[in-house]
Amino acid sequence: DAKTTQPNSMESNEEEPVHLPCNHSTISGTDYIHWYRQLPSQGPEYVIHGLTSNVNNRMASLAIAEDRKSSTLILHRATLRDAAVYYCILRVTGANSKLTFGKGITLSVRP
Amino acid sequence: DTAVSQTPKYLVTQMGNDKSIKCEQNLGHDTMYWYKQDSKKFLKIMFSYNNKELIINETVPNRFSPKSPDKAHLNLHINSLELGDSAVYFCASSQGSSSYNEQFFGPGTRLTVL
Repeated sequence: DAKTTQPNSMESNEEEPVHLPCNHSTISGTDYIHWYRQLPSQGPEYVIHGLTSNVNNRMASLAIAEDRKSSTLILHRATLRDAAVYYCILRVTGANSKLTFGKGITLSVRP
Repeated sequence: DTAVSQTPKYLVTQMGNDKSIKCEQNLGHDTMYWYKQDSKKFLKIMFSYNNKELIINETVPNRFSPKSPDKAHLNLHINSLELGDSAVYFCASSQGSSSYNEQFFGPGTRLTVL
């Protein structure tokens, strides 16, 4: 599976936007970019995914670079509840595709 | 309503014992998974079942045996527990197993082997 690189941690202020970067320079043309997050003492939670175009949902936006070698998860207004580990994951196209979690980025939100 | 549930939430046991963890999903999904999160917080897939058939089997000791009695359940039985089995085990489910399917995770079962 192609690898992703994320900073170890990031801090943000409550009610401000947060941009979480992810590099995936070895992405193949058909890999999907997925983001999950894990709140403290909980199971991972799906956030968003995309292939080539930018994506928006109720939780976040995903901005994908034109060459697809990087992407950014955007939380429009961070809340204290958004403090979590965020995982950027590439999923190989096809059936029986695995989620391979890396270390993720730990987001802290200051009140 | 809990979408993916696991029992028990906590499990403390002695080395050498056999234990089971149960997972149920009420989402109508056809694919279920077991993941292990170790003390360093690395989350790794162990098994996946689609329509009760094993489709992913990572390098997991034979002491771990998943069983899927129906599409809504995937249980994990562990024989001869070892200290290194101590971890949090997460069950997940999805509709389909393709690269664009989102997975829904349970709350986890914290297993401690003494």
